[in-house]
Amino acid sequence: KAGVTQTPRYLIKTRGQQVTLSCSPISGHRSVSWYQQTPGQGLQFLFEYFSETQRNKGNFPGRFSGRQFSNSRSEMNVSTLELGDSALYLCASSSAQGAMYNEQFFGPGTRLTVL
Amino acid sequence: AQSVTQLGSHVSVSEGALVLLRCNYSSSVPPYLFWYVQYPNQGLQLLLKYTSAATLVKGINGFEAEFKKSETSFHLTKPSAHMSDAAEYFCAVSGNNQGGKLIFGQGTELSVKP
Repeated sequence: KAGVTQTPRYLIKTRGQQVTLSCSPISGHRSVSWYQQTPGQGLQFLFEYFSETQRNKGNFPGRFSGRQFSNSRSEMNVSTLELGDSALYLCASSSAQGAMYNEQFFGPGTRLTVL
Repeated sequence: AQSVTQLGSHVSVSEGALVLLRCNYSSSVPPYLFWYVQYPNQGLQLLLKYTSAATLVKGINGFEAEFKKSETSFHLTKPSAHMSDAAEYFCAVSGNNQGGKLIFGQGTELSVKP
């Protein structure tokens, strides 16, 4: 079974631009979560989607948004990029939503650099 | 609110020595606890998880962790370190009706000396 895939793996943007990251979960998984990883703040939860609905949201500004499609693939969008948005963005999929103990399978991440 | 504290951002051990990575949590409800490992330029891989079934949890690659409610701890151990264990390790907690949201500690980088 293929793992979680994220595209692109690396991305360079300039301040003010917007970016869209994509995540394909493991086949059969309907829950997708997104995390931001930075050296200063560590791993922080962005949002969780299940069956095309956002179920949970972290403490990030409205510039960060996401969506999930009927095939469970998910995208996250960051508008008006700031230097501080440079980070590794990780996507994780799980077989169930709201099951706090369910294992989340992580993708390799997308490394975003904002210049 | 839930939180996780990992004591020591860097731990260095010799090959064959005991590995001990410390994690303390704060939670007002019974927590679910996880240890993840991250190798350079990769995502996170689950090592083990505590879901109240047993206080001593065995994971992959010879790692185990013990849940101690009285100490609010969930330390990760491995009897004998291997060079391939060098990586960053994250403790995480979920629960309190937070769905799949994981709250991570700051991570501990493990170095293994030959």
